[in-house]
Amino acid sequence: QVQLVQSGAEVKKPGASVKVSCKASGYTFTSYYMHWVRQAPGQGLEWMGIINPSGGSTSYAQKFQGRVTMTRDTSTSTVYMELSSLRSEDTAVYYCARDMGYYGSGRPTDAFDIWGQGTMVTVSS
Amino acid sequence: SSELTQDPAVSVALGQTVRITCQGDSLRSYYASWYQQKPGQAPVLVIYGKNNRPSGIPDRFSGSSSGNTASLTITGAQAEDEADYYCNSRDSSGNHLFGGGTKLTVL
Repeated sequence: QVQLVQSGAEVKKPGASVKVSCKASGYTFTSYYMHWVRQAPGQGLEWMGIINPSGGSTSYAQKFQGRVTMTRDTSTSTVYMELSSLRSEDTAVYYCARDMGYYGSGRPTDAFDIWGQGTMVTVSS
Repeated sequence: SSELTQDPAVSVALGQTVRITCQGDSLRSYYASWYQQKPGQAPVLVIYGKNNRPSGIPDRFSGSSSGNTASLTITGAQAEDEADYYCNSRDSSGNHLFGGGTKLTVL
């Protein structure tokens, strides 16, 4: 079945970096864009950016520009999200979510249909 | 502005109908998608596009849009529908944004 499996929880010190992985299975990895979304404890969802697993192109939310890097490894059907210069406010659950793609008409669906289980990242001294 | 606004909390009596709204300028140009999130779980897509439900989503969930407002309607709310609901849309730069979320209580 189609699924996204993320790496395990991380504890990092302020100023460090974290790299979260998201392994896709059950579908053609390069055919669907992948988003990253985070959720701080007790807070709402926050979109971080998107990667095209086919060519590797990315687009990041302005808030994370310069601190986030999204990459992919097509040989293992895995996308990665690395966040640097961590601070306490980055403590959150990080999710990868598959973009549903396009309607038959070519219009994008703009929907996230499959989500990973989430990775808790704790930033604490 | 690049924001999506939702009411923080809404309640509905069991079996009744409830509408959850999402307002934002981007909704004049782009459809919203809607996500249900229960405590400790990843979000689940419930509505996308004009009014599309993914496989497995009950038909009591429906979506609509008018002007700068998108709505998620649950007709005949069930106890298991109690959850947080988030809208999402892309903006003019192609980036995405989420609403602040609505906590639905089923009484």
